[in-house]
Amino acid sequence: DGGITQSPKYLFRKEGQNVTLSCEQNLNHDAMYWYRQDPGQGLRLIYYSQIVNDFQKGDIAEGYSVSREKKESFPLTVTSAQKNPTAFYLCASSPRTFGTEAFFGQGTRLTVV
Amino acid sequence: AQSVSQHNHHVILSEAASLELGCNYSYGGTVNLFWYVQYPGQHLQLLLKYFSGDPLVKGIKGFEAEFIKSKFSFNLRKPSVQWSDTAEYFCAVMSGGSYIPTFGRGTSLIVHP
Repeated sequence: DGGITQSPKYLFRKEGQNVTLSCEQNLNHDAMYWYRQDPGQGLRLIYYSQIVNDFQKGDIAEGYSVSREKKESFPLTVTSAQKNPTAFYLCASSPRTFGTEAFFGQGTRLTVV
Repeated sequence: AQSVSQHNHHVILSEAASLELGCNYSYGGTVNLFWYVQYPGQHLQLLLKYFSGDPLVKGIKGFEAEFIKSKFSFNLRKPSVQWSDTAEYFCAVMSGGSYIPTFGRGTSLIVHP
């Protein structure tokens, strides 16, 4: 089945630790995205990547980092510099075409204690 | 920068009631518009989209939306809701040739049986 796989589904970390969230897609999409979802705030764009070895900051990139070494993979690292990391993180991908919808993974719920 | 406004943050209805969720966007040029739904515990999935042509678009599960360019609106409607429509609904827009979707804050819909 084609789709986007995010792992793990739930993640707990101690404050001050970096943590990496996995996102893999087998849809052969060029573009990949990371969004953060908080209650009442919708989805806010963290980072996006149009092509391998290239990525751009979104609206709330501070405290996050990404890499895009392979077309199918776009991991997100939540660093200790992120002041409020507890959230639901969604990964998405799409063809790099205007008007084509994005497809989403199941999400990772990160809790920092 | 483009923005998306969803006016209804929480909606509570009884089964068989009619539904209309508002969505307005800020960009005045060519737009692609989307409604996504997130059922409890599930990933975001596309309900419907507007790309061009007929401004009244029909989606899955009896939903429809009307694109009114003069009002910068893309409201979601369903004539008779069911308990299974309980979910969070997100409006999204692509504009200015960008394929990166910008999302609204979401509307939480609860349908009582």
